[in-house]
Amino acid sequence: NAGVMQNPRHLVRRRGQEARLRCSPMKGHSHVYWYRQLPEEGLKFMVYLQKENIIDESGMPKERFSAEFPKEGPSILRIQQVVRGDSAAYFCASSPRGGHQPQHFGDGTRLSIL
Amino acid sequence: DQQVKQNSPSLSVQEGRISILNCDYTNSMFDYFLWYKKYPAEGPTFLISISSIKDKNEDGRFTVFLNKSAKHLSLHIVPSQPGDSAVYFCAASMEYSGGGADGLTFGKGTHLIIQP
Repeated sequence: NAGVMQNPRHLVRRRGQEARLRCSPMKGHSHVYWYRQLPEEGLKFMVYLQKENIIDESGMPKERFSAEFPKEGPSILRIQQVVRGDSAAYFCASSPRGGHQPQHFGDGTRLSIL
Repeated sequence: DQQVKQNSPSLSVQEGRISILNCDYTNSMFDYFLWYKKYPAEGPTFLISISSIKDKNEDGRFTVFLNKSAKHLSLHIVPSQPGDSAVYFCAASMEYSGGGADGLTFGKGTHLIIQP
């Protein structure tokens, strides 16, 4: 399957712990986007990255959240000192290049905070 | 402030008939629109898109119509099939000044139920 791969699919953390979510884009895609979906809501844009660069992080909470897309390896969304309100589904999407292209989504990571 | 609105949380349609899903937007800077279909516990799957220079795009059973003056788009599915039962999200985008499209702005979705 050459689609967008996210892992883990489910992640349980206690309040105050760190959560790391990984995303490998589709082969040949160099643009990665992260979204968060709360229950009964649509997806909310968080951050847009290209290799080694954050292009737009206007949707990221100012504290505790960070993202990277290194030259080698998957993109990582990191949440430090998690709180109950961080419980959500986190989706990653990728596209091959700039301009108006459909974004292709992974199946998400469901983060639960105890 | 919701910039993309899907005012029908759910829609029930008989198998074989036409399904029409609606979407309104408020930001006139949006120039690219997409529809996604989502099953539970899966990621959204891209269905069809339309650029603001067009008013219609068709792909098999799916047609998207765009009315820029009304800031309204719709997705038509005909004929509707049982496998079409899912949540449908409308999304919008604007060209990013540095190249690349920015993050998509999504509506809250419409749950389409196809009845036999």
